[in-house]
Amino acid sequence: GEDVEQSLFLSVREGDSSVINCTYTDSSSTYLYWYKQEPGAGLQLLTYIFSNMDMKQDQRLTVLLNKKDKHLSLRIADTQTGDSAIYFCAESSRSNTGKLIFGQGTTLQVKP
Amino acid sequence: EAGVAQSPRYKIIEKRQSVAFWCNPISGHATLYWYQQILGQGPKLLIQFQNNGVVDDSQLPKDRFSAERLKGVDSTLKIQPAKLEDSAVYLCASSLDVAGRGYTFGSGTRLTVV
Repeated sequence: GEDVEQSLFLSVREGDSSVINCTYTDSSSTYLYWYKQEPGAGLQLLTYIFSNMDMKQDQRLTVLLNKKDKHLSLRIADTQTGDSAIYFCAESSRSNTGKLIFGQGTTLQVKP
Repeated sequence: EAGVAQSPRYKIIEKRQSVAFWCNPISGHATLYWYQQILGQGPKLLIQFQNNGVVDDSQLPKDRFSAERLKGVDSTLKIQPAKLEDSAVYLCASSLDVAGRGYTFGSGTRLTVV
C-alpha cells in the first residue's frame, strides 16, 4: 500500500542546518512534496520534486531524492527560529488523481 | 487571489450531535478535497470532488460522514452522529484539476467532540 514515514522530532540550534528525512513506499509517485504547518495554521507548500529528479534547490531549501532507497530529505540551511514548525512529507497517490499521502510529520524545534 | 475559505474555524460539540463544515475553494478550481488531520498525524484524504462528482471517497466513514458539492463550487462536510474519535482538524483544499495544479489548503476547522 501507499505509506510515508518520518522521524517525529528534530532539534537544532539557530544558524545550523536541519535535515528532515522521509521514506515512502510507492515508487510510481509522480511528485514528492514538503509542507510546513505552523500552530493553528493550514499547510503551506514549501517545495516539491518531480520523481525523475535527484535534487532541487530553492534558496535555503535543498531536496534530495534517492529513488532506489525511496528516501526523500529536506535540508534547511541557516535554520532560523521562524522555521520552527511541523514539516510533512507527502507523495502523490499512484492513482494520479491529486490525492496526497502524508507522513506523520516532523516537529522541528530551533533553539536560539 | 483569495485562498481557500473554511468556516467555522473552531467547533465544540457533544458526542452524538451533528456538525457541518463549509468550504469555498479558489475560483476556477475544479477539484476539491476534504482531509482529516488527527492530532499528531498527517492529513488523510476523506473525499475528493471533480466539479460536483466524487472521484475518491474510499476513506470516508459513510455511516456517519457525508459531503456534497452541489454546484461544483462550495462544499459541505457533515458528521452525524459525531464520535469522540472524530476530534480533528478538517482541512479543505482545492486545485485546478486532478493533476493537482495550484493545490492550496485552507486553514481548517478544528472540531472537538466531548
